Amino acid sequence: DAGVIQSPRHEVTEMGQEVTLRCKPISGHDYLFWYRQTMMRGLELLIYFNNNVPIDDSGMPEDRFSAKMPNASFSTLKIQPSEPRDSAVYFCASPQGASRELFFGEGSRLTVL
Amino acid sequence: AQRVTQPEKLLSVFKGAPVELKCNYSYSGSPELFWYVQYSRQRLQLLLRHISRESIKGFTADLNKGETSFHLKKPFAQEEDSAMYYCALTSIGPARQLTFGSGTQLTVLP
Repeated sequence: DAGVIQSPRHEVTEMGQEVTLRCKPISGHDYLFWYRQTMMRGLELLIYFNNNVPIDDSGMPEDRFSAKMPNASFSTLKIQPSEPRDSAVYFCASPQGASRELFFGEGSRLTVL
Repeated sequence: AQRVTQPEKLLSVFKGAPVELKCNYSYSGSPELFWYVQYSRQRLQLLLRHISRESIKGFTADLNKGETSFHLKKPFAQEEDSAMYYCALTSIGPARQLTFGSGTQLTVLP
C-alpha cells in the first residue's frame, strides 16, 4: 500500500484563482481528515468525513473553502477564490485500526501570490 | 473545549544533551495523548502514545493529569532527532479526531 496519496505536491497560483487539492486515502479506512499546517497555528483540522459523508466542517475557515468525497477512494479540497493567506501545507490523513493512528499524506504545499 | 499548547516554537540543544518538549492540554474527560513527528521531507508520523507507555527512539512521555501535561523527553539528544514535533489530543466520539498543538521545531546541534 502506497499510503495516503496527495496531489499536487506543490502549487503556486495567483490570488483569485481556484485551487483544487486531491487526496486518495488508504483503502478500507473509514474516516478522512483534512488538516492545514502553518507556522503560526500548527495543524488545524478543517473537515472530516466518515464513509464519504462530511461530519464536521467547523474548521473550514471561510465559504471559499469546500471539500467533497464522492467515493471511498477520493477526496478534494477546493479554495475559490484563493487568497495569499491561504498559503500553507494541506494534509490529508486517515486513521487505522482500534488505535486510530493517523496516517498522513505527504501534503500539498500551496503558495498564493 | 479541548486545547493543546506547545509553548516553544523553536528549541535547540546540543548533541548528547537532554531534551524536553513541553505540552500542556485542556480536556474535560480522560484524555488520550500522542506525539507525532515530522522529519525533514517526510510525512507526519506517530512517535508515541501515552497509553502504550513505550519508549520510541529513546523518547518517553508521561501523562501528568495533575499538571495536565504530556512532556516529551529524551536523555541524550541525537542529530537525527531534529524535526518538528506535535503534541496531540484525541476527542471523545467515534471519529476520535486529533487536536494538535502548534508544534515545536527541535534542532540538535553537533
